[in-house]
Amino acid sequence: QLRLQESGPRLVKPSETLSLTCTVSGDSISNSNYYWAWIRQAPGKGLEWVGSVYYTGLTFYNPSLESRLTISVDSSKNLFSLKLTSMAAADTAVYYCARPFVPFRPTISFDSWGQGALVTVSS
Amino acid sequence: EIVLTQSPGTLSLSPGEGATLSCRASQSVSHNYLAWYQQKPGQAPRLLIYGASSRATGIPDRFSGSGSGTDFILTISRLEREDFAVYFCQQYGGSPLTFGGGTKVEIK
Repeated sequence: QLRLQESGPRLVKPSETLSLTCTVSGDSISNSNYYWAWIRQAPGKGLEWVGSVYYTGLTFYNPSLESRLTISVDSSKNLFSLKLTSMAAADTAVYYCARPFVPFRPTISFDSWGQGALVTVSS
Repeated sequence: EIVLTQSPGTLSLSPGEGATLSCRASQSVSHNYLAWYQQKPGQAPRLLIYGASSRATGIPDRFSGSGSGTDFILTISRLEREDFAVYFCQQYGGSPLTFGGGTKVEIK
């Protein structure tokens, strides 16, 4: 059974860099041909696609975050990661990692989600 | 980017009643690549509908999706207590992926 688990600091200071990891179990990142995604949700707000990564390292980013964003994959550890620089209060959100419901498509809908990690930006 | 506008913001209904939720896109959604999600407090979203009208695995048939182009509808035929939640639409016909602001279905 597929399981995605977000990990990383829950409190980040303004201007610092957020680093989150999504550990995947029940599927192989390198063998499954999915584009693995990060999606965030500000408190009480809607959802925002952050970006997606393929096991080869090919990435697709939301243009609104692209200048601050790096998503990478570590197939040997079966995980993928997010780095978001210059964090501000507006970046306070629950960050979810997710897998699409079909492989090979970088922009699609998602049927498997992690539980989410609330990241607060505050000094 | 495609902006999705959901209406109404809140729907107050009783169990057993039907619900109609709207999602309007700022431009035509390619191939009707429109999905619907349900989200309950403290939980991740759950995929209900993809391709505007196809139910995801395990989704009861009281949930149905329809529409094309810029106007899409999620219908819940007879609300059960576990259906009271927030519903989001999402388009994947264009990049970036975008989501609507959500409709809350609450118990009247």
